[in-house]
Amino acid sequence: GAVVSQHPSWVICKSGTSVKIECRSLDFQATTMFWYRQFPKQSLMLMATSNEGSKATYEQGVEKDKFLINHASLTLSTLTVTSAHPEDSSFYICSARDSRDGYTFGSGTRLTVV
Amino acid sequence: QKEVEQDPGPLSVPEGAIVSLNCTYSNSAFQYFMWYRQYSRKGPELLMYTYSSGNKEDGRFTAQVDKSSKYISLFIRDSQPSDSATYLCAMSAGTGFQKLVFGTGTRLLVSP
Repeated sequence: GAVVSQHPSWVICKSGTSVKIECRSLDFQATTMFWYRQFPKQSLMLMATSNEGSKATYEQGVEKDKFLINHASLTLSTLTVTSAHPEDSSFYICSARDSRDGYTFGSGTRLTVV
Repeated sequence: QKEVEQDPGPLSVPEGAIVSLNCTYSNSAFQYFMWYRQYSRKGPELLMYTYSSGNKEDGRFTAQVDKSSKYISLFIRDSQPSDSATYLCAMSAGTGFQKLVFGTGTRLLVSP
């Protein structure tokens, strides 16, 4: 089946620094990828839709300048959390649409900002 | 009112029991319905994917969609401790890259 690789799986960073999370579709091309955020015991909240070669579409309430998304190729999208603060600590998950299997998710990245 | 409602549980059952998980939704435009399983600190894993109303079976899992009632179900037969996880329903309005709308997830605990 389709595989989406997300890296890193966990990261700890100091407040004020930036963190980049990568999402790769390994065996298919993904013109569109999605970035979610998940708080403990809560469901996934869509942050933005990442489109290859164009600007991402952000959901209402999500700060574009804080969560920078780049989708430079058909197999790679990156999410950069800029000037991270403790309230940005969360579980971030990407997904991509695969016509065979629906939406395939990465394994997630646990971000802790100290 | 949320677009998708799902009981967060937890739902505790003994090994071998039949498990019924459900979601209701309000948007009649939803046509694609999915069930995901998520283990702690992992990304969701697709279990079942159905289009419009009807049933779909895959091994111990059966998904049902009743669009007239805006109600979907996932049944797990002969439940196993390894089925203990959070089950998320998700749905989208159409083809292409329509965004998914998720339920809050139901935590299932299967005891040996």
